[in-house]
Amino acid sequence: DAGVIQSPRHEVTEMGQEVTLRCKPISGHNSLFWYRQTMMRGLELLIYFNNNVPIDDSGMPEDRFSAKMPNASFSTLKIQPSEPRDSAVYFCASSPRDPGSAKNIQYFGAGTRLSVL
Amino acid sequence: AQSVTQLDSQVPVFEEAPVELRCNYSSSVSVYLFWYVQYPNQGLQLLLKYLSGSTLVKGINGFEAEFNKSQTSFHLRKPSVHISDTAEYFCAVSGDTGAGSYQLTFGKGTKLSVIP
Repeated sequence: DAGVIQSPRHEVTEMGQEVTLRCKPISGHNSLFWYRQTMMRGLELLIYFNNNVPIDDSGMPEDRFSAKMPNASFSTLKIQPSEPRDSAVYFCASSPRDPGSAKNIQYFGAGTRLSVL
Repeated sequence: AQSVTQLDSQVPVFEEAPVELRCNYSSSVSVYLFWYVQYPNQGLQLLLKYLSGSTLVKGINGFEAEFNKSQTSFHLRKPSVHISDTAEYFCAVSGDTGAGSYQLTFGKGTKLSVIP
């Protein structure tokens, strides 16, 4: 299996620009998570989906952030407009469709390092 | 609500020495516990997990952890570290928080530095 695939790996943009981060979860997984990692705040859960439906977006910092999952194999995290304080590493993770405890295991992508100048 | 406390933000240790990285958790529901490792400029990789059964769990790269319910701890250990173990280690807890949701709550991480 290819694992969770995120693109791009690095993104440099200017303040005010729109940024779109992409994620392809592991095939057969039905839950998808977006995290943000910074030195100050560590790993923060932004939003997660179950069967393509957003379940909890309470971690999304503000209305500039939005996430979609149009199908089981693709999700996007969009920031519009971007600000320098959005600079961070953004991770996507997925977990399997297992009725047992294995559903708790999350598999992470390599992340997207975002720099907003 | 769930929370995870990793008491040590940084742990330096000499090569071939033993190491223990501490993790304590709190949760109002039955928990599942995890250790993830993050090498520089990489994503998080599952090191080991406790879902049920034996409280002593073994993971990759010679690491092991013991689930202690009475002390609400899940400390990570390795009897002899290698330079390649230099990384950041995250403890995480998961459990059914309602509506069938299984969110992971992460600790702040512990940076392990192995000194030659």
